[in-house]
Amino acid sequence: EAGVVQSPRYKIIEKKQPVAFWCNPISGHNTLYWYLQNLGQGPELLIRYENEEAVDDSQLPKDRFSAERLKGVDSTLKIQPAELGDSAVYLCASSLAVGPTNTEAFFGQGTRLTVV
Amino acid sequence: AQSVTQLDSHVSVSEGTPVLLRCNYSSSYSPSLFWYVQHPNKGLQLLLKYTSAATLVKGINGFEAEFKKSETSFHLTKPSAHMSDAAEYFCVVSEGGGADGLTFGKGTHLIIQP
Repeated sequence: EAGVVQSPRYKIIEKKQPVAFWCNPISGHNTLYWYLQNLGQGPELLIRYENEEAVDDSQLPKDRFSAERLKGVDSTLKIQPAELGDSAVYLCASSLAVGPTNTEAFFGQGTRLTVV
Repeated sequence: AQSVTQLDSHVSVSEGTPVLLRCNYSSSYSPSLFWYVQHPNKGLQLLLKYTSAATLVKGINGFEAEFKKSETSFHLTKPSAHMSDAAEYFCVVSEGGGADGLTFGKGTHLIIQP
């Protein structure tokens, strides 16, 4: 079974340009997460979806970041405009909701963004 | 509020010797605890999880961890290190009972000396 698929794996852009990342979760997983991982740090949650609804976006910088999960399957994360400080690895994860809780999260390989 | 502290940013052991990666947590409720491993240029992989069942949890690749509520610790151990164990390890806490609201530690870089 395929795991969480992210693309692209690497992206280099100039500051002030837009960028988008794509994620396809594990089939049947209704919960999808976007995490940000800075060098030498643990991942930090940006947004969590239950199906197509964003249930936790409190840490998403909404002035420049946006996300969508149309049809409750794959998702895109966009940054516009990008800043130098956005250089990081963007991780997507998915899990299966069982009753009121979610099982463990399965992570994709991430997209490494470099803003120059 | 929940938090997790990984007590060592780097741990170096010789191949064939025991591994100990230390983790302390803080949680207002009975937490779920996880250990994830991240190899270079690879995604995060779940090693093991504690969700209020047995306090000694066995994971993949010979790793195990013990939940000690009195010490608020969830240390990761392995009896004999292998070169392939070299990676970044993250201790993770969740008050939601599962993957909701995961809080990651800063990670411990495990180095295996030949």
